[in-house]
Amino acid sequence: KQEVTQIPAALSVPEGENLVLNCSFTDSAIYNLQWFRQDPGKGLTSLLLIQSSQREQTSGRLNASLDKSSGRSTLYIAASQPGDSATYLCAVGGRGNEKLTFGTGTRLTIIP
Amino acid sequence: GAVVSQHPSRVICKSGTSVKIECRSLDFQATTMFWYRQFPKQSLMLMATSNEGSKATYEQGVEKDKFLINHASLTLSTLTVTSAHPEDSSFYICSAGEGGTDTQYFGPGTRLTVL
Repeated sequence: KQEVTQIPAALSVPEGENLVLNCSFTDSAIYNLQWFRQDPGKGLTSLLLIQSSQREQTSGRLNASLDKSSGRSTLYIAASQPGDSATYLCAVGGRGNEKLTFGTGTRLTIIP
Repeated sequence: GAVVSQHPSRVICKSGTSVKIECRSLDFQATTMFWYRQFPKQSLMLMATSNEGSKATYEQGVEKDKFLINHASLTLSTLTVTSAHPEDSSFYICSAGEGGTDTQYFGPGTRLTVL
């Protein structure tokens, strides 16, 4: 059974700092990995999708890496802003719209 | 981009009543839809997977007679919480998979409160 863990569970950093969120998964036989953002009481916003054959994806200030063999992914946020404050979830998926297994989430607070 | 809507966004009901939540893919055909629930400060847990025209596949521990799922068309899936109780209070989120792609699009969620 796939298990996805995110560390730390919560993180507070001053505005402007670069930061890294971690995601680990137990079964490396994944098809893709996604990072999502969730604001309080809201749904999910997809940030980045990495296919299993890829090593990283970038979008603006966000960079996600994937090391499938070691079961790890990181989300790097550069020059953090207060608007980045949210819960970040990683999820691993199987092929062709198979179910996603979500991590436990990291609650990020950027201090102005 | 593809849009998935959910209705209602928030519902409050009395214990013992049934509540229906709709999930619609607005601009694409969804061969597969997923229903998740999220308790406060916890992650999303998959409840069931539904494919258009067939019975839903429920995850272990999810009562199929309590959480009725219907996926009658390629753009609509419904989740009915029957005889709701306070412990069913949660945030329910659906996602829809576009045929032929690996992408799932998530709805905005429905907050259910059972009094």
